[in-house]
Amino acid sequence: AQKVTQAQTEISVVEKEDVTLDCVYETRDTTYYLFWYKQPPSGELVFLIRRNSFDEQNEISGRYSWNFQKSTSSFNFTITASQVVDSAVYFCALSEARGGSNYKLTFGKGTLLTVNP
Amino acid sequence: ETGVTQSPTHLIKTRGQQVTLRCSSQSGHNTVSWYQQALGQGPQFIFQYYREEENGRGNFPPRFSGLQFPNYSSELNVNALELDDSALYLCASSSPQRYGYTFGSGTRLTVV
Repeated sequence: AQKVTQAQTEISVVEKEDVTLDCVYETRDTTYYLFWYKQPPSGELVFLIRRNSFDEQNEISGRYSWNFQKSTSSFNFTITASQVVDSAVYFCALSEARGGSNYKLTFGKGTLLTVNP
Repeated sequence: ETGVTQSPTHLIKTRGQQVTLRCSSQSGHNTVSWYQQALGQGPQFIFQYYREEENGRGNFPPRFSGLQFPNYSSELNVNALELDDSALYLCASSSPQRYGYTFGSGTRLTVV
């Protein structure tokens, strides 16, 4: 069975601080995908990144960066120079790979990030 | 491109009633999934449809059922509603070429 653990329930930072959201996962699959989604108060889940289990390269997109370490089954997300607009619930998720496509996302419980001005 | 649209946005039902939630997938997406998100929790996978056939199901009882139509829009039906069915129901669409799922804003169902 797949499992995703986000140990941080809530994080509060002051604007411009860097913040790292932790994600640890469990799976027996050798091929899988890892995701991060952002959920603002409107409820819609906004896709941030997908990472293939065979690609351990870290990725940077603007102020966002992701650190994937297969050896520790972790896929952490860092926001550099946080802004008030970053305030949201962030979910880490894991999916099986079927025919090269995503299948069935398993989500963590989410981390509520509050960025104070 | 259009996003994923869900209706209604909010709904209040009485225990024992039946409810139908609707989802219009993003153009070109032939896969649709439904998720239930209880307050303070992560979304839980209900089932997935691909080209009008159910091709995967999570740990939900048979009173949760669905349909996908030729235009790839979808319905989630829940019979014999229970208080614990109160949640945000999210629809997500995807395609084999798609990098990730596109989610709608959800339907918030309250069972009283």
